[in-house]
Amino acid sequence: DIVLTQSPDSLAVSLGERATINCKSSQSVLHSSNNKNYLGWYQQKPGQPPKLLIYWASTRESGVPDRFSGSGSGTDFTLTISSLQAEDVAVYYCHQYYTTPNTFGQGTKLEIK
Amino acid sequence: EVQLVESGGGLVHPGGSLRLSCAASGFTFNSYWMTWVRQAPGKGLEWVANIKQDGSETYSVDSVKGRFTISRDNAKNSLFLQMNSLRGEDTAVYYCARVGDGYQFRPFDFWGQGTMVTVSS
Repeated sequence: DIVLTQSPDSLAVSLGERATINCKSSQSVLHSSNNKNYLGWYQQKPGQPPKLLIYWASTRESGVPDRFSGSGSGTDFTLTISSLQAEDVAVYYCHQYYTTPNTFGQGTKLEIK
Repeated sequence: EVQLVESGGGLVHPGGSLRLSCAASGFTFNSYWMTWVRQAPGKGLEWVANIKQDGSETYSVDSVKGRFTISRDNAKNSLFLQMNSLRGEDTAVYYCARVGDGYQFRPFDFWGQGTMVTVSS
């Protein structure tokens, strides 16, 4: 199984500052047939289901604010929030859909400093 | 508007059974793979199982193989998870989700609100 390891486990950032969350995969999720990284990012607020933010490692889902961006390829990926807003407080998960079983990172809890 | 509404959760004794349902609306249900994902209290997300559009292919995580069965009824726009031989470690919120784009290996683009399953004596 592919293991996704997120860092840090928790993060406190001041409003308006940048937040960066990393996700490292135990094997590449870059598919050679289409040169796409099978990696997504989700946001989960308390009491709510996860919400898809980013897919193909860097494509923003419709309606997601442009302060959210994804980058990386192969085994190393990053979710960046360029200017933290109060409503961004949540747990963030990376997800590989490259192979079965799909797996998720352990989550990163983002708080306001 | 895409909607996924889970039901069927509750309290069950170890060794017991439950059948979860997910009612889908707002999209062409039989055009999408569907999946179940669970989340133990205070823990992260764990993929459980998925099913092809016509039900001809199903896959599940090793920890539930032989105990859980995913199925669907396209005529009723419904997804199911039959859970047998339940254990304490199966205690979780169970989410139904749509696999995007009509392909197996895609992100989960819509999620239900979840239904809680508690396995305890």
